[in-house]
Amino acid sequence: DAGVIQSPRHEVTEMGQEVTLRCKPISGHNSLFWYRQTMMRGLELLIYFNNNVPIDDSGMPEDRFSAKMPNASFSTLKIQPSEPRDSAVYFCASSSTGKAYEQYFGPGTRLTVT
Amino acid sequence: GENVEQHPSTLSVQEGDSAVIKCTYSDSASNYFPWYKQELGKGPQLIIDIRSNVGEKKDQRIAVTLNKTAKHFSLHITETQPEDSAVYFCAARGNAGGTSYGKLTFGQGTILTVHP
Repeated sequence: DAGVIQSPRHEVTEMGQEVTLRCKPISGHNSLFWYRQTMMRGLELLIYFNNNVPIDDSGMPEDRFSAKMPNASFSTLKIQPSEPRDSAVYFCASSSTGKAYEQYFGPGTRLTVT
Repeated sequence: GENVEQHPSTLSVQEGDSAVIKCTYSDSASNYFPWYKQELGKGPQLIIDIRSNVGEKKDQRIAVTLNKTAKHFSLHITETQPEDSAVYFCAARGNAGGTSYGKLTFGQGTILTVHP
């Protein structure tokens, strides 16, 4: 199995630009989670989906952040407009109904907003 | 919501020694407690987990214990090796009203360094 795939692995952008992060969950997994990791705040859950439906987006910091899951094999996290404080590593994780507790993480996208 | 506290924040041991990392949680309804290992530049990797109906679980050199009454759980690594050096995170999963999906709340992490 290829595991969770994220792209790009690194993104550098200027303040005010739109940023789109992408995730392909493990085939057969039906839950998908977006996390943000910073030194100050650690690992924070931003939003999660079950069967492509957003279940809890209470962790999304503000309206500049949005996430979609158009099908079972693809999700995006968009930041528009980006700000320097958005700089962090963003992880996607997935799990399956059969083992709904076990989340498997992707390699992350390191975002730098200048 | 759930709050998870993890200690220590850094831990340095000699190769062959044991390492113990402790976590406490606040929500008595939490029922799943995983541990993740994160190496530099990589995503967290699930290494062991325990459910609330079990008090202890072991997998080779690593073990996890859970005390539901005290609301704390611990990771034990025996015979540590330099390749065990990484950041370790504990987490707790809320009961989510009995649904099969619930979000994980993570501790702040422990930087483990194993000296050869």
